[in-house]
Amino acid sequence: GNSVTQMEGPVTLSEEAFLTINCTYTATGYPSLFWYVQYPGEGLQLLLKATKADDKGSNKGFEATYRKETTSFHLEKGSVQVSDSAVYFCALSAADTGRRALTFGSGTRLQVQP
Amino acid sequence: SQTIHQWPATLVQPVGSPLSLECTVEGTSNPNLYWYRQAAGRGLQLLFYSVGIGQISSEVPQNLSASRPQDRQFILSSKKLLLSDSGFYLCAWSVSEAGAQYFGPGTRLLVL
Repeated sequence: GNSVTQMEGPVTLSEEAFLTINCTYTATGYPSLFWYVQYPGEGLQLLLKATKADDKGSNKGFEATYRKETTSFHLEKGSVQVSDSAVYFCALSAADTGRRALTFGSGTRLQVQP
Repeated sequence: SQTIHQWPATLVQPVGSPLSLECTVEGTSNPNLYWYRQAAGRGLQLLFYSVGIGQISSEVPQNLSASRPQDRQFILSSKKLLLSDSGFYLCAWSVSEAGAQYFGPGTRLLVL
């Protein structure tokens, strides 16, 4: 079946540091890949997505590249801010699952200190 | 633009009481609709999904049920809540089979 593996958190960084959150996946076929962000007490917001190999999704300074050869979709940001503190979820969607649902990773908590 | 609403935002219920959580979507037709549960500090668990009115698929056998009485309305229910039903309940919608899902603000349920 499909699965998503994320690095364990929390990730603690100082403001303006470089961020990488690793995400690897297992899926049949050609999944679409997503990163979601969840701020405290809120629902999930779609941060970025990529639908085919070598696509780069980007939004609000965050980027992730769909790497089919390494089955990865790592999230990066060049300079984090305190306001980026949140939980980040990697997810995939595969049309062959038959249930049209996303498969989520367990989430990675990011804490940015001033 | 599309909007998704959930209510109530917070709910405290005694064990054994009934539950009804509502989710509505605006600005789109015939969406796929989903209910997820997120336990404290944990990831998301898909509970139910629906591809149309009256069509419900259950992912996890449990104390909960779902209904879709209208195209853009999705309801999560229980006849008798358990302590283990506590959590953060999220409704989501999508328009394509393998596309992004868009989440509501969530309902925080505490069963005492």
